[in-house]
Amino acid sequence: AQKVTQAQTEISVVEKEDVTLDCVYETRDTTYYLFWYKQPPSGELVFLIRRNSFDEQNEISGRYSWNFQKSTSSFNFTITASQVVDSAVYFCALSPPNYGQNFVFGPGTRLSVLP
Amino acid sequence: AAGVIQSPRHLIKEKRETATLKCYPIPRHDTVYWYQQGPGQDPQFLISFYEKMQSDKGSIPDRFSAQQFSDYHSELNMSSLELGDSALYFCASSSLERGVRSYEQYFGPGTRLTVT
Repeated sequence: AQKVTQAQTEISVVEKEDVTLDCVYETRDTTYYLFWYKQPPSGELVFLIRRNSFDEQNEISGRYSWNFQKSTSSFNFTITASQVVDSAVYFCALSPPNYGQNFVFGPGTRLSVLP
Repeated sequence: AAGVIQSPRHLIKEKRETATLKCYPIPRHDTVYWYQQGPGQDPQFLISFYEKMQSDKGSIPDRFSAQQFSDYHSELNMSSLELGDSALYFCASSSLERGVRSYEQYFGPGTRLTVT
């Protein structure tokens, strides 16, 4: 069975602080994909990143960075110098290798960035 | 760039009524997924279609049905609505990417259904 755990239900930080959102996943598949999505108060799901199980390179995109550690089944997300606009719910998701099958989402982490 | 379109964006229905949600995938996308997100919950997979055939099924109630049409748009039909059906319903689509099936799902803005 596949499962995604985001242990942090809610995080509050003050603007300009760095914050890391944790994601731990479980799967028996050797090939899979991991995703992060942002859901602002308006409700839409905004794609942030996709990582496949064979690519353990860390990635940086502006203030965002991701740390994929296959050995610990973790795919953590760090926001550097957080801003108020980063306030949202962040979901980590796992996709199985078979096309057309569903994503399994984590429960989400609600990030509040205070001015 | 064109995105996934969902209509309506908001819908209010009474208990025991029916509702139909529509999803128009990104052009040339052949796979559609439906998710239900209750208040404070993560999105839960309902059903997916590939080339107009059901490809996977999740926790979709028997009162719900869905199909994908020849133009690849999809409709989610919900009958005998219950208060617990109040949720945000997302549609996502995916397709080939440089000849390879893309595992990236592009999400629509969602339809917020309120059952009173």
